[in-house]
Amino acid sequence: DAGITQSPRHKVTETGTPVTLRCHQTENHRYMYWYRQDPGHGLRLIHYSYGVKDTDKGEVSDGYSVSRSKTEDFLLTLESATSSQTSVYFCAISDGGKGTEAFFGQGTRLTVV
Amino acid sequence: QKEVEQDPGPLSVPEGAIVSLNCTYSNSAFQYFMWYRQYSRKGPELLMYTYSSGNKEDGRFTAQVDKSSKYISLFIRDSQPSDSATYLCAMSANNNDMRFGAGTRLTVKP
Repeated sequence: DAGITQSPRHKVTETGTPVTLRCHQTENHRYMYWYRQDPGHGLRLIHYSYGVKDTDKGEVSDGYSVSRSKTEDFLLTLESATSSQTSVYFCAISDGGKGTEAFFGQGTRLTVV
Repeated sequence: QKEVEQDPGPLSVPEGAIVSLNCTYSNSAFQYFMWYRQYSRKGPELLMYTYSSGNKEDGRFTAQVDKSSKYISLFIRDSQPSDSATYLCAMSANNNDMRFGAGTRLTVKP
């Protein structure tokens, strides 16, 4: 999977608790993305990063924050998890520029109870 | 109305059939068009990429983009059981914010 590792792969958490998902890459790609995938919605962009400490919001960013302190790591934090954030979360990377292929990780299945 | 519409299927075809998958979109700023394949419990992988209008062929796969109709297609010739997966169309105006269709689940029966 193009040197992308997501952790954890599965997590069950309680409503109101903070949750952090980690994406680690070994490709030294500039761009990193967090998507969520839900039935009937396909993949929706939450946040992305175009460099260390450089991030921007995506289509569904409310309730999520991100940080990128190193090129290889991109963290997604749910400040106070809600049941609507139950989803499969995918990290993706690309080396940027128009027409650049995005490589996806294996996904993290998060359940908020 | 969603920005990208894709029939979720499911679509079931016999081995060897020609498969046609389609998406429509509403944002005329889209100029990068992709097709991803996603096997169960896996991340999506890029199958085809097209810039602007036109056709692109890669082995058994052909991608078509008609910007005037805001319509894109993926054709799979001589379909194989290993093609059974969910196919996602994706498109972008600047390639940093891809918009995905909901995905079409395809089953190719031996």
